Amino acid sequence: GAVVSQHPSWVICKSGTSVKIECRSLDFQATTMFWYRQFPKQSLMLMATSNEGSKATYEQGVEKDKFLINHASLTLSTLTVTSAHPEDSSFYICSAYTGGETEAFFGQGTRLTVV
Amino acid sequence: GQNIDQPTEMTATEGAIVQINCTYQTSGFNGLFWYQQHAGEAPTFLSYNVLDGLEEKGRFSSFLSRSKGYSYLLLKELQMKDSASYLCAVRDYNAGNMLTFGGGTRLMVKP
Repeated sequence: GAVVSQHPSWVICKSGTSVKIECRSLDFQATTMFWYRQFPKQSLMLMATSNEGSKATYEQGVEKDKFLINHASLTLSTLTVTSAHPEDSSFYICSAYTGGETEAFFGQGTRLTVV
Repeated sequence: GQNIDQPTEMTATEGAIVQINCTYQTSGFNGLFWYQQHAGEAPTFLSYNVLDGLEEKGRFSSFLSRSKGYSYLLLKELQMKDSASYLCAVRDYNAGNMLTFGGGTRLMVKP
């Protein structure tokens, strides 16, 4: 199956700093990438949808100025958590979709801890 | 919007069979997925249904009824390693083909 690489796997940062998470499709071109957030013992919640070359579409309640998404190429999308706060600590997962009748492929996830 | 419901928790015995149900409502159904997720890890793909009927893959089977907005995941010959969360997800072509996940069912397999 297709491979989606997400980096870093985990990160600890100080409150007020910014963190960038990368999501790469290694062997296919991802026209669409989805960013999810998952709090402990909860399911995946969609944060935003990004299409290559256009602005991301954010779900209700997700601050677009805080969670900056860039999808500049068909193989790379980045999520930057700006001015991170402890409540942003969570498991962030990207998912890439090629279009057509295929599954979405997930990255390994990033455990973010803000101290 | 979409509404996806599945039980929060289930418990079963090693070697037994368990069925995890999922009901959904969506305007532009374009497939239903089941994923397995162990704590702290990314989901792993189990099955995909877009037409009515049963899809079998080893110990795992998934069933879909589009008219009823209903699916189930059947796990046979349960093993301890099957203890995990099982996520039902629906793809909606009216929403850019994004996947919307149900709350997940935490399955505990006991000896």
